[in-house]
Amino acid sequence: DAKTTQPNSMESNEEEPVHLPCNHSTISGTDYIHWYRQLPSQGPEYVIHGLTSNVNNRMASLAIAEDRKSSTLILHRATLRDAAVYYCILRALKTNFGNEKLTFGTGTRLTIIP
Amino acid sequence: EPEVTQTPSHQVTQMGQEVILRCVPISNHLYFYWYRQILGQKVEFLVSFYNNEISEKSEIFDDQFSVERPDGSNFTLKIRSTKLEDSAMYFCASSESGAYNSPLHFGNGTRLTVT
Repeated sequence: DAKTTQPNSMESNEEEPVHLPCNHSTISGTDYIHWYRQLPSQGPEYVIHGLTSNVNNRMASLAIAEDRKSSTLILHRATLRDAAVYYCILRALKTNFGNEKLTFGTGTRLTIIP
Repeated sequence: EPEVTQTPSHQVTQMGQEVILRCVPISNHLYFYWYRQILGQKVEFLVSFYNNEISEKSEIFDDQFSVERPDGSNFTLKIRSTKLEDSAMYFCASSESGAYNSPLHFGNGTRLTVT
């Protein structure tokens, strides 16, 4: 499985944008980039995913490098509620029937400073 | 917004006892998963389930573990004879389809403590 590399921890000030990086230099052409987060004492929560183009949703934006070897999750205006562990996960497109599991790494622990 | 619910939130059991962890996935979802997270460690995949069959299981999911969808709404994880090292948070998840773009929706977990 292609691996991802993320910083162990990051800090950001409240109401500032946050850019969470992820390296995935061995990504294959059929790997989708998924981001999940885990708030304290909760289960993981889906944030966003993409393949090649940048993506936006109500929670965040995903910027994908042209060579797809890295990506950045952008929280436009961090709040205290965004303090969590953020996971960057590659999920393969399966051409045959089946459900591709998620494989979690250690993620980035994001601390928001009031 | 629909959510995955898990019961109980905390289960304490003695070593060697059987436990059943229960999950109610989102109603129109067809794919189900169990993950676990030992305190301070990664979230680990245990098993995926579709159409009343196990699709994939990890090395952790040995003969002591089993899953079942006993009716149209519940999805259960049974541990036959618990060990101390089974102490962890157990998360159930469901997804609408098995496709790459179908997010997994997780419950808030059952904390299992084996004494």
